[in-house]
Amino acid sequence: QVQLQESGPGLVKPSETLSLTCTVSGGSMSGYYWSWIRQPPGRGLEWIAYIYHTGSTNYNPSLKSRVTISLDTSRNHFSLKLSSVNAADTAMYFCARLRAGMADPYFDNWGQGTLVTVSS
Amino acid sequence: SSDLTQDPAVSVALGQTVRITCQGDSLRNIYASWYQQKPGQAPILVIYRQNIRPSGIPDRFSGSGSGDTASLTIAGAQAEDEADYYCNSRDSSNDHLLFGGGTKLTVL
Repeated sequence: QVQLQESGPGLVKPSETLSLTCTVSGGSMSGYYWSWIRQPPGRGLEWIAYIYHTGSTNYNPSLKSRVTISLDTSRNHFSLKLSSVNAADTAMYFCARLRAGMADPYFDNWGQGTLVTVSS
Repeated sequence: SSDLTQDPAVSVALGQTVRITCQGDSLRNIYASWYQQKPGQAPILVIYRQNIRPSGIPDRFSGSGSGDTASLTIAGAQAEDEADYYCNSRDSSNDHLLFGGGTKLTVL
C-alpha cells in the first residue's frame, strides 16, 4: 500500500510563498498522477493541481497564476508552491494519488494532511 | 456549469437507508467517485467508477448514476458512518477536477 506524507512550514507570512512536499513510499511514482487538494477550516475540499509522472500538469484555474506543482521521481516526492499567499490560503493541504482514466478520476491514496496558516 | 452540487446536510435513523446525491453536467459522461471524511481525518475513497467499492469498504455502501446525477447509498446506516461525504468528477472539456461541496451525514 503506497503511503503519502506531507511536509513543510505550518506558518507562512502574507505575500510569501507556501512550499510543501509530499513524500511517496511503498510504491513507484511512475504511471500515476499526483495531486494537491486543500480544505479551509470548516469548509469543503478544493482541488489545486495534478502532475503526471512525465511532468505534464493541470491547475485549478482559480489558483493557476500562483501555483506550481513539480515532481522528482528519483527521490519519490512531488511538491507544491503557492505564491503571494493571503489569509484565504489558510487550509489543511492534502497530497493524494490520482487514478485518472478516461472516464473515472479518483483519489485512491491520501496523505494525512498538513495545516498551513497564513499570518504575520 | 462545471460545478458539482450536493445537499449540505442529510440525516438518517440508525439502521435505515440513506441516499446522498451529487448533480452536475460533468456527470453525464464522467463517473463520480465518493469520499468519506471524519473530523480531523483525511478523506478516504468509498466508491469509484460510480459503483465500485475499494477493498475494506463495507458492502452497505453502493453507488449509482443517471444523467447528470450520481448517488451514494448507505443501506443500514451505522453510527460510524456519520461523516462528511464528497463527490468528485472531472470536467471533460479541460480535465479540471471537481469536488462537490460536501454532505454532512448525521445518524440519529
